[in-house]
Amino acid sequence: NAGVMQNPRHLVRRRGQEARLRCSPMKGHSHVYWYRQLPEEGLKFMVYLQKENIIDESGMPKERFSAEFPKEGPSILRIQQVVRGDSAAYFCASSPGVGSSNYGYTFGSGTRLTVV
Amino acid sequence: GEDVEQSLFLSVREGDSSVINCTYTDSSSTYLYWYKQEPGAGLQLLTYIFSNMDMKQDQRLTVLLNKKDKHLSLRIADTQTGDSAIYFCAEPRGYGQNFVFGPGTRLSVLP
Repeated sequence: NAGVMQNPRHLVRRRGQEARLRCSPMKGHSHVYWYRQLPEEGLKFMVYLQKENIIDESGMPKERFSAEFPKEGPSILRIQQVVRGDSAAYFCASSPGVGSSNYGYTFGSGTRLTVV
Repeated sequence: GEDVEQSLFLSVREGDSSVINCTYTDSSSTYLYWYKQEPGAGLQLLTYIFSNMDMKQDQRLTVLLNKKDKHLSLRIADTQTGDSAIYFCAEPRGYGQNFVFGPGTRLSVLP
């Protein structure tokens, strides 16, 4: 079991470019969660998705950020027209279902986005 | 308030016990969690405690829960250099799909 896979591990983008972060959940997991960790801070919830559905996006910035989890393939977090303030570590987690999340998520190793 | 609170730094000597404290906010939380983050890595679930328990022990780890004061602590016995990391407490929100994390306590273990 490969665990939650995120790629790339490190991503550098110039201001105004687009960033695409990918997350493949653990085998058998159909729920995906994205969190952002700003430097020297804790993790902040962004969005919760199931296959083809966004369940809770209450933590997503209103503009430039979007997420999807298609029927086939990884979940994608997309940031358009990146700015320096988007520089952070973005973590993905997965779980088999909401009830099972009582036992905690499994996190990926994160993508560290640097905007220059 | 809305935030889960933790002290930000803790230094201990190798072999001593470490106690990391956390104050959470939602008295209806059914589970509370401790995660460990090593440098450059993701978060690893360390342990969790069900809200009807006062204490949970798992090898060198002891979790204490005071529901009245909404206080959670993690004790690491015989702290080793490999325990140096950031420790986050977390509580679920909503239907349990959204976790709120504290700011993390950076544990430094001195030789």
